[in-house]
Amino acid sequence: GENVEQHPSTLSVQEGDSAVIKCTYSDSASNYFPWYKQELGKGPQLIIDIRSNVGEKKDQRIAVTLNKTAKHFSLHITETQPEDSAVYFCAASGAGNMLTFGGGTRLMVKP
Amino acid sequence: GAVVSQHPSRVICKSGTSVKIECRSLDFQATTMFWYRQFPKQSLMLMATSNEGSKATYEQGVEKDKFLINHASLTLSTLTVTSAHPEDSSFYICSASILAGAYEQYFGPGTRLTVT
Repeated sequence: GENVEQHPSTLSVQEGDSAVIKCTYSDSASNYFPWYKQELGKGPQLIIDIRSNVGEKKDQRIAVTLNKTAKHFSLHITETQPEDSAVYFCAASGAGNMLTFGGGTRLMVKP
Repeated sequence: GAVVSQHPSRVICKSGTSVKIECRSLDFQATTMFWYRQFPKQSLMLMATSNEGSKATYEQGVEKDKFLINHASLTLSTLTVTSAHPEDSSFYICSASILAGAYEQYFGPGTRLTVT
């Protein structure tokens, strides 16, 4: 089955700096890669996703890149703000449309 | 659009009792619903996948007789934790897909279950 590794597990940045979170996956058949933001005590919220036929996607301060050959994808957050502080999860979906989640990254943005 | 609700948001029950959690898609019909469990500071682990009108498919290691899933309509799925024990205390989250075979999953706000 699919295995998704996520790094780092914690990330602390200064407000205004950029944050990068990286994930690798094992199943070359996976073709959908969403990123979720989870605040304490709440369910995950989809913030951006990318499909395997696209190498990069951007939405305002958030961007995701995908390298299918290397089987890794990354989340980039620019001009971080304190409200970006949360746990971020990457996921991969392939056969059966089931999501396999990475271990999560706790992002802390210091004002 | 694509809003998913869960009820209750928090529940405390005594060991040995059963508790039911509801998951509703509010503004769309969900062909497929998923149930996840999340322990503190850990990732989401898929428990089961359910399609409307058919039996749920459970992940390896998840007891289907303990975690009863019913997907009776296109907008409602329920998870019943039977004979709950303290080790069942967790954050239970459901998600829903709009179309059969669609990748996007929309998550509910979660239910915090505490078994005393």
